[in-house]
Amino acid sequence: DTAVSQTPKYLVTQMGNDKSIKCEQNLGHDTMYWYKQDSKKFLKIMFSYNNKELIINETVPNRFSPKSPDKAHLNLHINSLELGDSAVYFCASSQGERDLPDTQYFGPGTRLTVL
Amino acid sequence: QKEVEQDPGPLSVPEGAIVSLNCTYSNSAFQYFMWYRQYSRKGPELLMYTYSSGNKEDGRFTAQVDKSSKYISLFIRDSQPSDSATYLCAMRKAGTALIFGKGTTLSVSS
Repeated sequence: DTAVSQTPKYLVTQMGNDKSIKCEQNLGHDTMYWYKQDSKKFLKIMFSYNNKELIINETVPNRFSPKSPDKAHLNLHINSLELGDSAVYFCASSQGERDLPDTQYFGPGTRLTVL
Repeated sequence: QKEVEQDPGPLSVPEGAIVSLNCTYSNSAFQYFMWYRQYSRKGPELLMYTYSSGNKEDGRFTAQVDKSSKYISLFIRDSQPSDSATYLCAMRKAGTALIFGKGTTLSVSS
């Protein structure tokens, strides 16, 4: 029974295209996240949503736009893809601040390659 | 100076060895310290967490936090080939995002 799922698992696309990655969690968590992991395995937060509201927005180009239709889903849309966007994107979820240390559960990742 | 520093390795040890993984940090306000394990082509999963200073043991794993030195460690006893993975330290204070180290890649050979 998958806790945090992402689609697609792999995404290969040309520079300049627009693409979306979807994330769903069935843990009943209030908070969801998007992380980017570069080729050196450095994991950095991009966005965080709590109950469909944006609470963390790190310094990310505005070509990246998260959307949360409900608290179980958080999608990531990327416009005008660039070579530097190639990375693995992880979705995660957690109970939020009311349950510290706020353990985050990660999805399997989406490996994006921009050609 | 980066907020969290972690030697990326790689670290190669024989089966049965004791492994020590470490991170240093600069923000003295961090309160929660975690270790995540990430197998190849998988998402990270929480291994252990510690609040403030002290030790915590769980089976073959021990997490230590020394806030005075801003230094955290993860010890793995009797290491197994199944422990081969990347280990990421992570830390935060209440109300802020989780900050990850770059991860240390560990390989345990049988």
